[in-house]
Amino acid sequence: AQSVTQLDSHVSVSEGTPVLLRCNYSSSYSPSLFWYVQHPNKGLQLLLKYTSAATLVKGINGFEAEFKKSETSFHLTKPSAHMSDAAEYFCVVSLPGDDKVIFGPGTSLSVIP
Amino acid sequence: DTAVSQTPKYLVTQMGNDKSIKCEQNLGHDTMYWYKQDSKKFLKIMFSYNNKELIINETVPNRFSPKSPDKAHLNLHINSLELGDSAVYFCATSNSLQETQYFGPGTRLLVL
Repeated sequence: AQSVTQLDSHVSVSEGTPVLLRCNYSSSYSPSLFWYVQHPNKGLQLLLKYTSAATLVKGINGFEAEFKKSETSFHLTKPSAHMSDAAEYFCVVSLPGDDKVIFGPGTSLSVIP
Repeated sequence: DTAVSQTPKYLVTQMGNDKSIKCEQNLGHDTMYWYKQDSKKFLKIMFSYNNKELIINETVPNRFSPKSPDKAHLNLHINSLELGDSAVYFCATSNSLQETQYFGPGTRLLVL
């Protein structure tokens, strides 16, 4: 069965320092992987997605994620955090030919001035 | 110009009432979804519709019923509202289950 784990429910970083949000998935097949961001009182917005092309995926707002099949991971990174990055981040898995989209539990990112 | 819109934005109601939340999309997508987000931000998919056919139903109580009058709309009707139904409900759309989803702004439901 497919599953998504986000290892940290909350991450706090100082402005200008790197961001790492971790995501691991469980799947028997090659999945499509997504990161979505949700700012306070807003809907979710796509940051980036992996669909079996380049393993390093660049997204909006300076975020990127690397697909590592051997580690079943899709961690989200950003070199330098900005105050506007404070939000909830969701890692999502879907399988070609399957009828399920699975959301991780979310990681809340706080950015300290 | 809003791609995915929901009405109402806020809904406060009494236990036992019946209410509906509406969702409309102008993206021409084939698949629409309803999600429930609880107070801990956990997001649970409730339903999705593909070309007006229900393709996911994640063990949601039958008090919840999705209704799709046409490809651009997926409404959520809730009967006999309970306290535990209080949450934020999001509508989303995509071209398929494997593609990017576009979310509405959410409907904040409070059951008293």
